[in-house]
Amino acid sequence: EDKVVQSPLSLVVHEGDTVTLNCSYEVTNFRSLLWYKQEKKAPTFLFMLTSSGIEKKSGRLSSILDKKELFSILNITATQTGDSAVYLCAVEAANFGNEKLTFGTGTRLTIIP
Amino acid sequence: DVKVTQSSRYLVKRTGEKVFLECVQDMDHENMFWYRQDPGLGLRLIYFSYDVKMKEKGDIPEGYSVSREKKERFSLILESASTNQTSMYLCASSFWTGWGYTFGSGTRLTVV
Repeated sequence: EDKVVQSPLSLVVHEGDTVTLNCSYEVTNFRSLLWYKQEKKAPTFLFMLTSSGIEKKSGRLSSILDKKELFSILNITATQTGDSAVYLCAVEAANFGNEKLTFGTGTRLTIIP
Repeated sequence: DVKVTQSSRYLVKRTGEKVFLECVQDMDHENMFWYRQDPGLGLRLIYFSYDVKMKEKGDIPEGYSVSREKKERFSLILESASTNQTSMYLCASSFWTGWGYTFGSGTRLTVV
């Protein structure tokens, strides 16, 4: 059974701090790993990672994948209150055309002004 | 922008009622998905569909059924609602799996 584990489950930091969120996985036929941000409503897409060692960057957010050790990290630098959200990691596994995502439980990030 | 619209934001139903959750997408996506989200359990896949009239069970299909009579609409049906189906339900669609996922705003269902 495919499994995605995120840590920590929750994190509270002060504005301006840097945070690192972790995602480890065990899947058969790995295809890609995705990060989503969920505020009050639905998850919104952040990054898709398919290759090891290549950092994806968007503003203050960055992410990298290690396919050998089966994990990914999401970094947020100079955090702002608008970064408060649940961050979801999901792994896509190839399954003869029926690919689907398995999600982790998420990390709830709270930024204190 | 792709829109995925779920018909209700909040719903309260009684135990034993038949419940329909509707999801409509406007970008001609092939794939549609129903998830439920519970604290500490994350997003879990209930059912998905890769084509009209086609459905596949996800990880937790028990107690649910689905219908996809038209490409743009994917309905989740609770045949006889129970209190353990109280949850946030999220619909998603994609042109291809993974990157192309777009989620609806969710329906918070309470079964009393």
